[in-house]
Amino acid sequence: GAVVSQHPSRVICKSGTSVKIECRSLDFQATTMFWYRQFPKQSLMLMATSNEGSKATYEQGVEKDKFLINHASLTLSTLTVTSAHPEDSSFYICSARGDRDLSEQYFGPGTRLTVT
Amino acid sequence: EDKVVQSPLSLVVHEGDTVTLNCSYEVTNFRSLLWYKQEKKAPTFLFMLTSSGIEKKSGRLSSILDKKELFSILNITATQTGDSAVYLCAAGTYKYIFGTGTRLKVLA
Repeated sequence: GAVVSQHPSRVICKSGTSVKIECRSLDFQATTMFWYRQFPKQSLMLMATSNEGSKATYEQGVEKDKFLINHASLTLSTLTVTSAHPEDSSFYICSARGDRDLSEQYFGPGTRLTVT
Repeated sequence: EDKVVQSPLSLVVHEGDTVTLNCSYEVTNFRSLLWYKQEKKAPTFLFMLTSSGIEKKSGRLSSILDKKELFSILNITATQTGDSAVYLCAAGTYKYIFGTGTRLKVLA
């Protein structure tokens, strides 16, 4: 089956620093990747959709200058949380969609970000 | 506004019980409804439903979609402690809206 990896799995950073999270599709080409955020005991909230080679589309209320997304290749998308603050602490999950089935998404294992 | 509502929010049952989880949706662009199981980390895929009235089965789990009434149910028969998880449904086309999930706890 399709495998998506995320790195790092857990990161702790100081307030004001930037953190980069990588999302890779390991055995398929992901034309589209999605970034979600999940707060404790809440559901997944879509932050943005990224297509390889083009700018990401952000959901309403998500600051694009704060959450920089780069989808430079068909197997890699990165999310950079710039000038992180404690309220950015969350579980960030990416998912990837290939060309075969446009409805199905494959999720990465997630990255737990803690900003102190 | 697009929304997906799941019920119940939480459920506690004993091993061997059968449970039914509900998901209703109102989304502007609908093609499929997805069910996921989430334990400690990222969700794992269970079912994708596109057509009304066609039941999908995988072992003790089954699911069906009603596109007229805009809802889906997920059934789990003969529950086991390993079924304890949060079950998420999501509706949309290439972009999905997730419900808040149903937290299922199965007691031994």
